[in-house]
Amino acid sequence: EVRLVESGGVVAQPGGSLRLSCVASGFTFDHYNMHWVRQAPGKGLEWVSLISWDGDSTSYEDSVKGRFTISRDNSKNSLFLQMNSLRTEDTALYYCAREVQETAAAFDYWGQGTLVTVSS
Amino acid sequence: AIRMTQSPSSFSASIGDRVTITCRASQGISTYLAWYQQKPGKAPKLLIYAASTLQSGVPSRFSGSGSGTDFTLTISYLQSEDFATYYCQQYYSYPPMYTFGQGTKLEIK
Repeated sequence: EVRLVESGGVVAQPGGSLRLSCVASGFTFDHYNMHWVRQAPGKGLEWVSLISWDGDSTSYEDSVKGRFTISRDNSKNSLFLQMNSLRTEDTALYYCAREVQETAAAFDYWGQGTLVTVSS
Repeated sequence: AIRMTQSPSSFSASIGDRVTITCRASQGISTYLAWYQQKPGKAPKLLIYAASTLQSGVPSRFSGSGSGTDFTLTISYLQSEDFATYYCQQYYSYPPMYTFGQGTKLEIK
């Protein structure tokens, strides 16, 4: 069974930093590109970042470029999101998601999410 | 950036109805379009990818169509478990970017 379990979400202050983690199981982690997607309370979904299966390629949504860094440790089946210079608008439930292997264009498994609240 | 516009934003329907949700892209995206279902307090669930490919395990009453800028998700015979919010999502390859529609909330009439 494919499982993605996020952690690390807390209450942080504007300008602060946070590191989210996602541990994967039930599939060969280093065969898949992985993503972070977020959802502000009561709002829609917003893609945040992508990392290739080998960690060599990354991409970011414009509003997080230069502030967030995605990484992975394939030896530990783990995905990370380092979040710096946090803003109140970063408040959201952060999901890690696996990319469909047959096409880069969708996400077939999602975790349950970890809540990040940025507030003074 | 490519914008995705869903319509309607919300509507109500009855069990057994056939319903269609529309998603329009601000520029052509070929068939790089996916549909998700999300229920309250739950993660999104992939229904359709590549505009019309049914994800494994998804009931056949769900179908998708379209290419270029206009896409539709159809539920042929609404069941009680289908009342949820639906999102479309596009993929642009260079550089990789993904955009979701604003969502369509389907409620029971």
